[in-house]
Formats: sequence, structure tokens, C-alpha cells
Amino acid sequence: KAGVTQTPRYLIKTRGQQVTLSCSPISGHRSVSWYQQTPGQGLQFLFEYFSETQRNKGNFPGRFSGRQFSNSRSEMNVSTLELGDSALYLCASSLASTSGYTFGSGTRLTVV
Amino acid sequence: TQLLEQSPQFLSIQEGENLTVYCNSSSVFSSLQWYRQEPGEGPVLLVTVVTGGEVKKLKRLTFQFGDARKDSSLHITAAQPGDTGLYLCAGDSNYQLIWGAGTKLIIKP
Repeated sequence: KAGVTQTPRYLIKTRGQQVTLSCSPISGHRSVSWYQQTPGQGLQFLFEYFSETQRNKGNFPGRFSGRQFSNSRSEMNVSTLELGDSALYLCASSLASTSGYTFGSGTRLTVV
Repeated sequence: TQLLEQSPQFLSIQEGENLTVYCNSSSVFSSLQWYRQEPGEGPVLLVTVVTGGEVKKLKRLTFQFGDARKDSSLHITAAQPGDTGLYLCAGDSNYQLIWGAGTKLIIKP
């Protein structure tokens, strides 16, 4: 069965711009989470959605937002990009949190 | 603030040796999950442990969850070059994963 699909794979943006990343979860998975990974901070939780409802949000500024659609696909948006937003953004889906998560290959965002 | 301390952060050993990676926290987690990540890719789930004291084996890898569900260990027996990679532990709490810093493992032939 198809895994978690993230698009685009790579992205270069300029400071001040905004960006939208997309995630298609495994069929049947209603929970979608987003994480940011950087060499300095490691993996950090952004937010989690289940059936279009955000159940938890990490400690990121309001420039980071997300949403989930009725087909469980999810998007995250970052507005007014800063150089420090350069990172690998990972999406994960699951049937239940205790059963583990399946991650996509990520979107590598570079802000210049 | 929930934290997971993972150690060691870096380990380089010869093929055939045994090793253990530790993951410790002062917080209780619903589950403790271990992942392996290759450069430029997302983490891949190895195992999930849920019950305190639980032990799971995956070929040469043995995972243990502490009795109090606050710590976990990964033991690799007779390490092989194919085991080289970044190993991450993560605690499941309130619909989010709290991550350890990772252990970069290099197995030399």
C-alpha cells in the first residue's frame, strides 16, 4: 500500500515569503502530525490533526499553521519566512499513536 | 516540559560487537517508540513498546521498556555494517512524540 506522500520534496524560498507544504497520509489513517527537524534542535512537534480537528500544537510561533481536509490530507503553512525556518519538515500518519507512526520522506525547505 | 535523554549520541564500533542505547526521562509515556533514520529521509518505525517491563525482539535488536514506563533501551547483538544509521527514541504523550537527540551508530567492517 502507498506510504505517506509529501510534496514538494525540495523548496527554496526567500525571506518574507510564505510556503504551503502538503501531506497525503496512508489510506485509513485519520491522524496526521507534522514535525520540524534541524541539526541544532532535532525533531520538534508542530501539530497533530484528527478528523479535521487540531488535537495538539507544539511551541511554535503563530506563523506556523496547518489544517486537515475531510479526506485526511493535510497542509501546513509558514508565513513571513525567516532564515531559521530552513529545515526538513516531516509529516506522519497513524491509526493510533501507541501503534507508531509512518513518516513521509519530508520536504526540505531552504530559506535564503 | 517533557524531555527524553538519549545516550550515547555517537557510537563507533567494530562489526560483531554488542551495543546498548539508552533513553531516559522523568515523565511517563503512553508508549516508547524506536525509529531509524537515513540521511534525507523520514524516520522508519522499528518497534513500539507499551507495557511497563515489556521486551520485544526484532532479529538481533532487543527493545525494553522500563517498569515505570519512563525509560527504554535498545540492545544490538553482533552488530553488522548494515546497522549503521541514526537511531531515535520517542515518547508518545498527548498525540505528540517527544524525541531523544538520536544516536549516530557506525559499524566498521
